[in-house]
Amino acid sequence: DTGVSQDPRHKITKRGQNVTFRCDPISEHNRLYWYRQTLGQGPEFLTYFQNEAQLEKSRLLSDRFSAERPKGSFSTLEIQRTEQGDSAMYLCASSLTWDTNNEKLFFGSGTQLSVL
Amino acid sequence: GQNIDQPTEMTATEGAIVQINCTYQTSGFNGLFWYQQHAGEAPTFLSYNVLDGLEEKGRFSSFLSRSKGYSYLLLKELQMKDSASYLCAVRLPSGGSYIPTFGRGTSLIVHP
Repeated sequence: DTGVSQDPRHKITKRGQNVTFRCDPISEHNRLYWYRQTLGQGPEFLTYFQNEAQLEKSRLLSDRFSAERPKGSFSTLEIQRTEQGDSAMYLCASSLTWDTNNEKLFFGSGTQLSVL
Repeated sequence: GQNIDQPTEMTATEGAIVQINCTYQTSGFNGLFWYQQHAGEAPTFLSYNVLDGLEEKGRFSSFLSRSKGYSYLLLKELQMKDSASYLCAVRLPSGGSYIPTFGRGTSLIVHP
């Protein structure tokens, strides 16, 4: 169990550029979440996958955001045409949902995005 | 709408006891979690409540009252390393499943 890993740890980009982040969940975990967090706020839900199926997307998520989990293992989050308001910490979390009530999330260290 | 409320900031003295409250007004409920997040780090799991009552785990305890939409996290024998943000999260129904939804977090400052 190597934990949830995210890459890169930091990303600085210019407004209008596209960025892609990667998340490797804990290997046996079937559920994977993406959250966004800004300073002084709690994590805000973006989307989640059950195995390879994307089951829910936040209504706040614009069409510039897309996520994939092609083989039910790692996931990528892409932001197209970045805006300064996209600057945030992007957190990935995974969980095992055999027990659907006690769903304990394991978070990665996040990718800090700065859009200049 | 869904509302999860926590105080923004609290301070306490090393060795003391502190209680961090969380209230929620939500349509649906399937469990409440507390996470700890140190500055610049990922949140880590502390506790889970789905039934009313108190769950104790070492220096940390968590309480839930579903009828009141209320939970608290109790930290005893505070240590300097307990300075962190404490996040309350409620599993809310969405599209046939449940999504862990977070409050804004409470920043706890422990001073000597």
